[in-house]
Amino acid sequence: QSALTQPPSASGSPGQSVTISCTGTSSDVGGYNYVSWYQQHPGKAPKLMIYEVNKRPSGVPDRFSGSKSGNTASLTVSGLQAEDEADYHCSSYGGNNNVLFGGGTKLTVL
Amino acid sequence: QAQLVESGGGVVQPGRSLRLSCTASGFRFTHFGMNWIRLAPGKGLEWVAGMTSDGRGEYYGDSVRGRVTISRDNSKNTVYLQIHSLRDDDTSIYYCARDIDTSGHISQFDPWGQGTLVTVSS
Repeated sequence: QSALTQPPSASGSPGQSVTISCTGTSSDVGGYNYVSWYQQHPGKAPKLMIYEVNKRPSGVPDRFSGSKSGNTASLTVSGLQAEDEADYHCSSYGGNNNVLFGGGTKLTVL
Repeated sequence: QAQLVESGGGVVQPGRSLRLSCTASGFRFTHFGMNWIRLAPGKGLEWVAGMTSDGRGEYYGDSVRGRVTISRDNSKNTVYLQIHSLRDDDTSIYYCARDIDTSGHISQFDPWGQGTLVTVSS
């Protein structure tokens, strides 16, 4: 069982928006602004999409956005495209030099 | 362009030890903390270990603490992960990942290597 809770799956049609949640506690997600999201296509390395809750690395489309409310962080993908179909993993600093991940969410573009 | 390449994976018998390596290129290795993160079949990512840029700080995930050792050789731009007393549930793809910045705060990772598969089986 992963430390952070993500839905196992999410889906949307091309052009639609989809939001993936990541729930932790006040000791991790709720306590720090070090929430990040990673995209992973099958057989590939994870790729950083969002860091520090809502910042995008250069090269990541602005269709990807992050937010946080209380102990729950969210990743929103707007204007879904076929290439967005992938696994998405959330992560949070957990204090005491520890890092937590979620169980991952498989995003399907219908 | 920053790049990480892992090696050392394979099929290992339970109870044995294994050392993984990750060689970096394309950035100033001595300025960044480095980490190992694994992905077991059917499970989510798990942070295994991290080490500060100068090698003085080493940190471990709860489930592996006491069985793994992270180290680095800054003269070789390489970080290592030694895993002892391997168990079936250590079967995973092991990724090497760099801290996102040079702040020394281990929490976010970019880039990642392609991973090396460790299979624990008799």
